Amino acid sequence: DAKTTQPTSMDCAEGRAANLPCNHSTISGNEYVYWYRQIHSQGPQYIIHGLKNNETNEMASLIITEDRKSSTLILPHATLRDTAVYYCIVRGNQAGTALIFGKGTTLSVSS
Amino acid sequence: GAVVSQHPSRVICKSGTSVKIECRSLDFQATTMFWYRQFPKQSLMLMATSNEGSKATYEQGVEKDKFLINHASLTLSTLTVTSAHPEDSSFYICSAEGTTGSYEQYFGPGTRLTVT
Repeated sequence: DAKTTQPTSMDCAEGRAANLPCNHSTISGNEYVYWYRQIHSQGPQYIIHGLKNNETNEMASLIITEDRKSSTLILPHATLRDTAVYYCIVRGNQAGTALIFGKGTTLSVSS
Repeated sequence: GAVVSQHPSRVICKSGTSVKIECRSLDFQATTMFWYRQFPKQSLMLMATSNEGSKATYEQGVEKDKFLINHASLTLSTLTVTSAHPEDSSFYICSAEGTTGSYEQYFGPGTRLTVT
């Protein structure tokens, strides 16, 4: 079973920041937080991951609380192409460990 | 970035026939690949973990004799749906795990299977 809780859906205006929350209160010390997204009828796309420090890449920023029980994915300037289902997943850092998907958050970006 | 391909992207087959889906890591080697399926309006469900050179590990409820997985090389895994039935119609997605760093997984574009 997925170890994360996310809101079912969120709306965002184009050009604004999209902040997607995720609760993972039972995360273990060696588990990372991963974010993927899936645009309709495509395979999931990796966005970002982190252990305890905040992370930033060309796609997004990941803010992890100090107690690691929750995190927020930030898309700084959402575009229409960011409309997708966003999945927050916790996973250990061992080879051969599958990603277990929950229901994710459907983000709708509108103009 | 790492690229994973799947072939075919779409397939329609008659009930009772078998269908093979290929998953390839194009620019990296993958000791482990994973197979998922996704029904409409649902999330991805893990079917099995495929390790190069060894038998796949199937999730509970997934019939290993119906969903045959072969991982013969570090860049190719295949999923064969045997004696397909309409209820097997789904979106099948593979992922390949990198062998370095934090073992990130990269997903293929998916294969839409329709059984008539």
